[in-house]
Amino acid sequence: NAGVTQTPKFQVLKTGQSMTLQCAQDMNHNSMYWYRQDPGMGLRLIYYSASEGTTDKGEVPNGYNVSRLNKREFSLRLESAAPSQTSVYFCASSEVLGTGPQPQHFGDGTRLSIL
Amino acid sequence: AQTVTQSQPEMSVQEAETVTLSCTYDTSESDYYLFWYKQPPSRQMILVIRQEAYKQQNATENRFSVNFQKAAKSFSLKISDSQLGDAAMYFCAYRSYGKLTFGQGTILTVHP
Repeated sequence: NAGVTQTPKFQVLKTGQSMTLQCAQDMNHNSMYWYRQDPGMGLRLIYYSASEGTTDKGEVPNGYNVSRLNKREFSLRLESAAPSQTSVYFCASSEVLGTGPQPQHFGDGTRLSIL
Repeated sequence: AQTVTQSQPEMSVQEAETVTLSCTYDTSESDYYLFWYKQPPSRQMILVIRQEAYKQQNATENRFSVNFQKAAKSFSLKISDSQLGDAAMYFCAYRSYGKLTFGQGTILTVHP
């Protein structure tokens, strides 16, 4: 009963290093999302994927890239990490992107620190 | 763009008492969904309750209920008979076309 699995759970990077955060869901959901959570700001959408093969920018996409590898997996890449990207990152999934009451299901988050 | 505002950064309640967390939102859309998520120290995001905008009846889930005022764009969460396990950060969220917009969160402390 895994739901949404994120790896790693913690990571420390140096400025300029690259890193890929992995996310996989086993609920056969079509849509997947990446958020970042900063103190006092709630969660903000970085990128989302409505379905396999599509990705779109969210509210704060600068400095990130994503790949929807298949229906299960959605990765987030930092090409050249900056201290401003220190945050907790959440992956989420939902049945569909559009209308309907289906909630998003979240992973446990990745705490990323960039020195 | 939609915005969600939680005006109470912190709230506290005595065990077994009732507490209400406030949330307001701004939108020009008529079809949307509202959610309350709970985030305990473990960082998990746990769905507490959801409300469809087209439904006038307020949603209820056991000890959790909402007061949805569509005209006022208000969506408050009431927790009855508060328990120590209710202590967490609570986020109000608005969803239209699949994308969630979150409020800043309210930290709820429950005193024994």
